[in-house]
Amino acid sequence: AQSVAQPEDQVNVAEGNPLTVKCTYSVSGNPYLFWYVQYPNRGLQFLLKYITGDNLVKGSYGFEAEFNKSQTSFHLKKPSALVSDSALYFCAVRSESGNTPLVFGKGTRLSVIA
Amino acid sequence: NAGVMQNPRHLVRRRGQEARLRCSPMKGHSHVYWYRQLPEEGLKFMVYLQKENIIDESGMPKERFSAEFPKEGPSILRIQQVVRGDSAAYFCASSPPVRGPYNEQFFGPGTRLTVL
Repeated sequence: AQSVAQPEDQVNVAEGNPLTVKCTYSVSGNPYLFWYVQYPNRGLQFLLKYITGDNLVKGSYGFEAEFNKSQTSFHLKKPSALVSDSALYFCAVRSESGNTPLVFGKGTRLSVIA
Repeated sequence: NAGVMQNPRHLVRRRGQEARLRCSPMKGHSHVYWYRQLPEEGLKFMVYLQKENIIDESGMPKERFSAEFPKEGPSILRIQQVVRGDSAAYFCASSPPVRGPYNEQFFGPGTRLTVL
């Protein structure tokens, strides 16, 4: 069975500093990994995904994520945080290509302080 | 191209009533997924449907919950005899029919159900 762990409930970072939101996964077979962001009272917005290829994936709003197979991790990163990045971030995994459901982590609340 | 539409956005029901949640997928999408988000938790998969077919309902409670995606019209998630524990945000997502690695799911804004 697939699972996703986001070990931090909350991440605080000062505006302009780099940020990292951690994610580790467990899946049988090849992993397909996704990051979504949720703003208050809104649905989830897709940020980026890893399917195959380069381990560093670039996504929306300046975010990127690094796939590390040996550590089974897919941490979300941004070189310089903005106050507007404050939101709830979800990592998700799917174990095969196609239209199978996503398995989500519990989410990490990011607060960027001016 | 309009995104995934859900209505109502907010729904209040008393215990024992029925709740009907609607989801219209993005144009051209034939796969619909329903997820539930409890307060301070991540999204939990409930059911995956294609037109007129339930593909995977492993996340659906065995009683009171049902889902459909008819040939015409939106997908419906129906909760009968609601209880306070059903209070949550219910999200619908859709994806295109093509099988392959580029199928991220597109989410609607959610329906927030409150059971009094």
